[in-house]
Amino acid sequence: KQEVTQIPAALSVPEGENLVLNCSFTDSAIYNLQWFRQDPGKGLTSLLLIQSSQREQTSGRLNASLDKSSGRSTLYIAASQPGDSATYLCAVSPFGAGSYQLTFGKGTKLSVIP
Amino acid sequence: SQTIHQWPATLVQPVGSPLSLECTVEGTSNPNLYWYRQAAGRGLQLLFYSVGIGQISSEVPQNLSASRPQDRQFILSSKKLLLSDSGFYLCAWSPPTEPKNIQYFGAGTRLSVL
Repeated sequence: KQEVTQIPAALSVPEGENLVLNCSFTDSAIYNLQWFRQDPGKGLTSLLLIQSSQREQTSGRLNASLDKSSGRSTLYIAASQPGDSATYLCAVSPFGAGSYQLTFGKGTKLSVIP
Repeated sequence: SQTIHQWPATLVQPVGSPLSLECTVEGTSNPNLYWYRQAAGRGLQLLFYSVGIGQISSEVPQNLSASRPQDRQFILSSKKLLLSDSGFYLCAWSPPTEPKNIQYFGAGTRLSVL
């Protein structure tokens, strides 16, 4: 059974700092990995998706990497801003007919202090 | 463009009362539809999955049921709520073609059972 762990559970940084969020998964046979953002009391917004054959994806100040063999992904946020404050979730998808079954981590709650 | 609507945003219900949460998708046909629950301190858990009208797959045995009376309408129900049903419920959709793991989430319903 796939398990996804996110460390740390919470992170507080001053504005302008670069930061890294970590995600690890136990079964490396994944189809892809996604990073989501969740604002308090809101739904999820997809940030980045990395296919299993890819090593990284970039969108603006966000860069996600994937090391499938070691079961790890990182989300790098450059020059953090107060508006980046949210909970960040990673989710992995298996191959095959069950690809809709995303397994989520519990998230990292990020606070960027002005 | 496609949009997903969930209502109500917040709901407080007594133990033993019935439940009906509704989700609708606009701007697409024959979407795959999903109900997730996010309980405090836990990751998102997939509850139900539907590929078409009247076709429901239950991922976790529980006190809840789901129905899809129309192509773009997905309803989560319970005949008698339990305290353990409290949580944040999210509806999501994905295009009818692959990949099913590219899911788009609604704003969620916060359910408190007292």
